Amino acid sequence: NAGVTQTPKFQVLKTGQSMTLQCAQDMNHEYMSWYRQDPGMGLRLIHYSVGAGITDQGEVPNGYNVSRSTTEDFPLRLLSAAPSQTSVYFCASSPNDSNQPQHFGDGTRLSIL
Amino acid sequence: AQRVTQPEKLLSVFKGAPVELKCNYSYSGSPELFWYVQYSRQRLQLLLRHISRESIKGFTADLNKGETSFHLKKPFAQEEDSAMYYCALSGDDKIIFGKGTRLHILP
Repeated sequence: NAGVTQTPKFQVLKTGQSMTLQCAQDMNHEYMSWYRQDPGMGLRLIHYSVGAGITDQGEVPNGYNVSRSTTEDFPLRLLSAAPSQTSVYFCASSPNDSNQPQHFGDGTRLSIL
Repeated sequence: AQRVTQPEKLLSVFKGAPVELKCNYSYSGSPELFWYVQYSRQRLQLLLRHISRESIKGFTADLNKGETSFHLKKPFAQEEDSAMYYCALSGDDKIIFGKGTRLHILP
């Protein structure tokens, strides 16, 4: 099993551009989530999903969209990138819910110019 | 709403000395608490969870509901313990992380 796979690993965007960060897991996990990691701020929850077809907002959802059309994939979309969205983004998954240990991806380092 | 507080951004400890990383939480329900660790150039990974009451790599953490704390402890620090440590709380289908504490083990 590859576990949680995030692509791309690095990306540079210009302000106003849109892009999708990909997250896929091959463990048949129901629960998936997206975090951003910023110096001095820790990990902040952007969006999460308790199963296919169900998504909900976390602590910092503004400027981001998600969808969960399959169990395996949980893409994160930036509609109009802003410099404040420069960050490292982590995707995580767990078998059933948030009470179980989370499996993290390697992260995507995103810079918005 | 859940809240996790890690008061120390950086903790420097000499090798062989005891380590305590502080974590306090706020949550109206019954919390599930975790410690995650991120070593340099590695993925964030689970260190331990309160429900299992295990000792992992010599670390332990006890949930104190009266003080709403879940401090991480190790009696003798090792150089390989240098990493970023995050306390996390699960509740209402969400996992909220603290801001993290960087542990630096001095030789």
